[in-house]
Amino acid sequence: DAKTTQPTSMDCAEGRAANLPCNHSTISGNEYVYWYRQIHSQGPQYIIHGLKNNETNEMASLIITEDRKSSTLILPHATLRDTAVYYCIVKSSSNTGKLIFGQGTTLQVKP
Amino acid sequence: GAVVSQHPSWVICKSGTSVKIECRSLDFQATTMFWYRQFPKQSLMLMATSNEGSKATYEQGVEKDKFLINHASLTLSTLTVTSAHPEDSSFYICSARDPGLSPTSYNSPLHFGNGTRLTVT
Repeated sequence: DAKTTQPTSMDCAEGRAANLPCNHSTISGNEYVYWYRQIHSQGPQYIIHGLKNNETNEMASLIITEDRKSSTLILPHATLRDTAVYYCIVKSSSNTGKLIFGQGTTLQVKP
Repeated sequence: GAVVSQHPSWVICKSGTSVKIECRSLDFQATTMFWYRQFPKQSLMLMATSNEGSKATYEQGVEKDKFLINHASLTLSTLTVTSAHPEDSSFYICSARDPGLSPTSYNSPLHFGNGTRLTVT
């Protein structure tokens, strides 16, 4: 599975959009991009995933570049409860389901 | 949505004893579950893949005789930390994938339990 690169940390003002980038320049055609977050002392929470089209759900939007080498997770109106570590993970559809976590981005939402 | 439940949420045990952690899929059947371990200020590390009705698959460097995994039913996997030592103190998290309408597709997301914090004294 392709490796991902994320900034170590980011800040965002409460109520503003949080844009979290992820680089996956070695992604291959059958690999999906998944986003999870982990709030302190809890298990990871699934946010969204996609292959090549942009995706949106009630939590966030996922924008994948046309060449699929990078993506951005957008939290449209960040709240203090969105403070967490956000993980971008790339996984092959032929992989039996396991996810390999990198270091993620620590997002701090500030009032 | 799919729910994965872990029990206990925290446990304290003495060095040399064994501890069992349960992971249940509450509203779906999971032929495969995954066990992770997380040390403070670090990311999750995959320990093993638990397979219903067969042996678990362990990641490199994880001792299979120390971390016993049993997946006896489609909704329950257990991790037993045998002869626990203080260095085994960690946050243990399980996960499972709801196959939904596509049991042979591995694209549906993993759902995680809320973790078990193990402290060995």
